[in-house]
Amino acid sequence: QIQLVQSGAEVKKPGASVKVSCKASGYTFISFGISWVRQAPGQGLEWMGWINAYSGKTNYAQNLQGRVTMTTDTSTRTAYMELRGLRSDDTAVYYCARVQGYHPFDYWGQGTLVIVSS
Amino acid sequence: DIQLTQSPSFLSASVGDRVTITCRASQGVSTYLAWYQQKPGKAPKLLIYAASTLQSGVPSRFSGSGSGTEFALTISGLQPDDSATYYCQQLNIYPRTFGQGTKVEVK
Repeated sequence: QIQLVQSGAEVKKPGASVKVSCKASGYTFISFGISWVRQAPGQGLEWMGWINAYSGKTNYAQNLQGRVTMTTDTSTRTAYMELRGLRSDDTAVYYCARVQGYHPFDYWGQGTLVIVSS
Repeated sequence: DIQLTQSPSFLSASVGDRVTITCRASQGVSTYLAWYQQKPGKAPKLLIYAASTLQSGVPSRFSGSGSGTEFALTISGLQPDDSATYYCQQLNIYPRTFGQGTKVEVK
């Protein structure tokens, strides 16, 4: 069955970086992309960006440009999202989701809680 | 960016009721719109895509309609398990924006 399994929770200090992983199984990894979505405590869903798992082409949310990098490792079928210069308002649950073109996000990871606190 | 405005932000209804959530886009998205259900502590779950296509495995009491800038998610025969927050998302252009969410309480 199709699964996206994310790495565990992280606690970081302001200014640090975090790298969250998302390991895919059950489908042809390079035929799809991965989007990242975050959700601050008690808030709605925020689209962060997308990466084509085959080509590595990316599209990032404008408010995260310069701080976020999305990558994939096709040999391990894993996607990564790195966020730098962490601030307290980056505290959120980060989700990865499978995507393809105009199609919806049909499979999601379980989420990774990132807490930014001094 | 395309803004999606959902209404209402909160609704409370009884078991068996028919409820409708609307999603208005700031510009046309054709039928590139999806609806998700999210329960506390869980990842969102895809309910509807292409505005009106039911995702496999989703109960038929859920339905979607609309195109362009006006969309609706209807739950016909509300069940206790439908207590959740519902989000619309446009898939027409980047960024793939979400609505702010509608929390549904089942009395």
